[in-house]
Amino acid sequence: DIQMTQSPSSLSASVGDRVTITCRASQGISNSLAWYQQKPGKAPKLLLYAASRLESGVPSRFSGSGSGTDYTLTISSLQPEDFATYYCQQYYSTPPLTFGGGTKVEIK
Amino acid sequence: QVQLVQSGAEVKKPGSSVKVSCKASGGTFSSYAISWVRQAPGQGLEWMGGIIPIFGTANYAQKFQGRVTITADESTSTAYMELSSLRSEDTAVYYCARGYCTGGVCYRPEGDWFDPWGQGTLVTVSS
Repeated sequence: DIQMTQSPSSLSASVGDRVTITCRASQGISNSLAWYQQKPGKAPKLLLYAASRLESGVPSRFSGSGSGTDYTLTISSLQPEDFATYYCQQYYSTPPLTFGGGTKVEIK
Repeated sequence: QVQLVQSGAEVKKPGSSVKVSCKASGGTFSSYAISWVRQAPGQGLEWMGGIIPIFGTANYAQKFQGRVTITADESTSTAYMELSSLRSEDTAVYYCARGYCTGGVCYRPEGDWFDPWGQGTLVTVSS
């Protein structure tokens, strides 16, 4: 199974900050990566797939990049509604699909 | 626009089984992938398995092999996840999610990425 490691596990940031979350796979996953946002008590919401493709309706302040084993999710200017937990997920080698442990973005 | 609506919360005894439903509206249910993902309290997301109704066969995570059964009823556009031999560690919110696939057509039951998700079903296992 491919292990997905996210860092940091949590961070504090202010509105307007640029935020970067990292996801590392235990082996190369050839951009087969999705990112989700989850707010408390709600289902996850898809943000990006294929590492950098923005899902329809997702604000352009969210972007993704990376290659091989290392990927990043960037929020260019953090907004109040962006405080949530973010998960990466690989779909290169399945089953199983595997998720990162999550990164909680909190208000500083 | 696909929408997924799940059945309500369940409280089960250890050793029993639970069956959660996920009714889809919109889209062509038979041809898209449906996966089940669970989330224990305060924990991350864990993929359990998936199915493409028109193919009928499911793929499961090794961890749940033998305990989970995922099925789909094309006539009612409903997918089901049944988990048996429940233990306290199975207490979690269980989500269904539609799987999208690179290239547009899904051949793997698990799909690639997921959108949308159902609202979640809390299953509590307690004596």
